[in-house]
Amino acid sequence: QVQLQESGPGLVKPSETLSLTCAVSGYSISSGYYWGWIRQPPGKGLEWIGSIYHSGSTYYNPSLKSRVTISVDTSKNQFSLKLSSVTAADTAVYYCARVAPGGYYFDYWGQGTLVTVSS
Amino acid sequence: AIWMTQSPSLLSASTGDRVTISCRMSQGISSYLAWYQQKPGKAPELLIYAASTLQSGVPSRFSGSGSGTDFTLTISCLQSEDFATYYCQQYYSFPFTFGPGTKVDIK
Repeated sequence: QVQLQESGPGLVKPSETLSLTCAVSGYSISSGYYWGWIRQPPGKGLEWIGSIYHSGSTYYNPSLKSRVTISVDTSKNQFSLKLSSVTAADTAVYYCARVAPGGYYFDYWGQGTLVTVSS
Repeated sequence: AIWMTQSPSLLSASTGDRVTISCRMSQGISSYLAWYQQKPGKAPELLIYAASTLQSGVPSRFSGSGSGTDFTLTISCLQSEDFATYYCQQYYSFPFTFGPGTKVDIK
């Protein structure tokens, strides 16, 4: 059973960089598949942030591309998200997820972690 | 980007009801559509992909249909555990986008 677990600071100051890590268990990232980040502002809908392949190739949402970096560490079986120059609008629950083998939908999700941007 | 609408945004129903949720695209996406269920404080769970294929482990009372621009999620006999918010997601073109959601609550 594939399991994903997000970790990182729950509070980030405006203009700073949000950093999260997703630890994967039950599956080796280096074996394949894309892995992604999705976020959900409180009381709102879902927004895809970007995804990464085990080789390191990435796809980012154009609306966030200038501020997003996703990286993978196959030795630790984890991948990470960095979002720079954050504002209050970046306050959200951040989920990591696996992109399904049959298409670009998400079949396994982490539980999510709330990141609040505030001074 | 492809824009998506869902209707209704709120659906009040009773256990045992048959409920239908609609998802409409701003352009055709063939059958590249997924449906998710999200309960409060929990991550979304995949219900259906490829518009009509049930994810393993999902009860058969859930079904999906449609292609092109119009899609439907149907719950044939609503159970207490089905009260939740439902999202559609298109994966036909980049960036991948989600609908605004339909909340199913108790009448």
